[in-house]
Amino acid sequence: GDSVTQMEGPVTLSEEAFLTINCTYTATGYPSLFWYVQYPGEGLQLLLKATKADDKGSNKGFEATYRKETTSFHLEKGSVQVSDSAVYFCALRKTGANNLFFGTGTRLTVIP
Amino acid sequence: DTGVSQDPRHKITKRGQNVTFRCDPISEHNRLYWYRQTLGQGPEFLTYFQNEAQLEKSRLLSDRFSAERPKGSFSTLEIQRTEQGDSAMYLCASSSTGRLYNEQFFGPGTRLTVL
Repeated sequence: GDSVTQMEGPVTLSEEAFLTINCTYTATGYPSLFWYVQYPGEGLQLLLKATKADDKGSNKGFEATYRKETTSFHLEKGSVQVSDSAVYFCALRKTGANNLFFGTGTRLTVIP
Repeated sequence: DTGVSQDPRHKITKRGQNVTFRCDPISEHNRLYWYRQTLGQGPEFLTYFQNEAQLEKSRLLSDRFSAERPKGSFSTLEIQRTEQGDSAMYLCASSSTGRLYNEQFFGPGTRLTVL
């Protein structure tokens, strides 16, 4: 069946460090891929998305590239800030489906 | 604020009681989704409406759960005879229709604790 596997957390980084949160997926066909972020006390927000192979989604300094050959969609940021502290969820949506299928989430804490 | 709103934000109930949650989507959105999120897990899809029609239900949605969207605007999720395993965050999201992917906007959630 469909699944999304995320790097287990929590992840703690110093400010300005490089961030990678791994995400791999299992799905038939060509799903769309997403990263959602949940800041403390707030609802889930879409961070970035990619809808086909080799697409790169980017937003707020975060990037992720849809790699069909490795079924991956790793999230990266070159220099994290304290304000990036949040829980990050990788998700997929199968072609023709309406719902999102989420990974378990990775908690990121950035310390000054 | 024109985002998705949910009420109540927190609900504590005793096992066996019925509870009802409300979701108000973004006003121009005709699609509405319910998800459940347990501690340490990602959200899991429960059900989906387009306008007032409930078009999809997950197998997670047992017979004790019922969702409605009577006028195609707000939605309610009712859980009858609650069990401790129902304790979770219940999330509502909405989106519009169109050719391209339309982002699902999430509400802040209703946290249910069943004692």
